[in-house]
Amino acid sequence: KAGVTQTPRYLIKTRGQQVTLSCSPISGHRSVSWYQQTPGQGLQFLFEYFSETQRNKGNFPGRFSGRQFSNSRSEMNVSTLELGDSALYLCASSYSTGGNAGGPGETQYFGPGTRLLVL
Amino acid sequence: SQQGEEDPQALSIQEGENATMNCSYKTSINNLQWYRQNSGRGLVHLILIRSNEREKHSGRLRVTLDTSKKSSSLLITASRAADTASYFCATPGGGGGGNKLTFGTGTQLKVEL
Repeated sequence: KAGVTQTPRYLIKTRGQQVTLSCSPISGHRSVSWYQQTPGQGLQFLFEYFSETQRNKGNFPGRFSGRQFSNSRSEMNVSTLELGDSALYLCASSYSTGGNAGGPGETQYFGPGTRLLVL
Repeated sequence: SQQGEEDPQALSIQEGENATMNCSYKTSINNLQWYRQNSGRGLVHLILIRSNEREKHSGRLRVTLDTSKKSSSLLITASRAADTASYFCATPGGGGGGNKLTFGTGTQLKVEL
């Protein structure tokens, strides 16, 4: 099976612009999660989508949003970019059996990431 | 916020030696996972240990879990240069259910020839 793919791999934007990142999960995986990784804050959970619905959300401002399509592909969008948004954005997919509460934390398969630089 | 703290933050060893990394977490968990990250790339899942397991092996990896101390350790035996990477523990939950993982701060391992 092909792994998780993310596009683009590298991106340079200026403050105030917006950006859209894309993630294609492993075939058959229905859950897609997004993480932000920075040297200062480490790996932080942004949100998770399952069957086109946001199932969980981290502590990020509303400028960060996402969606999932019927084929499980997901996009995340960051509007009004700030310098502090410079980071590696990682997407992960997992085979999930559904449910909204008490998830056991399934094994996640990560893509190579999109490195975003905001100037 | 980080659920787990890992120590050491950095570890440098010679090829062939064993490497041990420790992870502490704060809340009750169903399982704990370890991931590896090579030089700012994607994470690779290494092993998952459930709360009712005390020890688990996978190849040269040995993971232990002590739920009473809320801690886990990852042992890599007979290290190779290719093991040079950052290693993260991850725990599920932290509110909201689903597949949210909360990662530790990571240990940077360098294996020298």
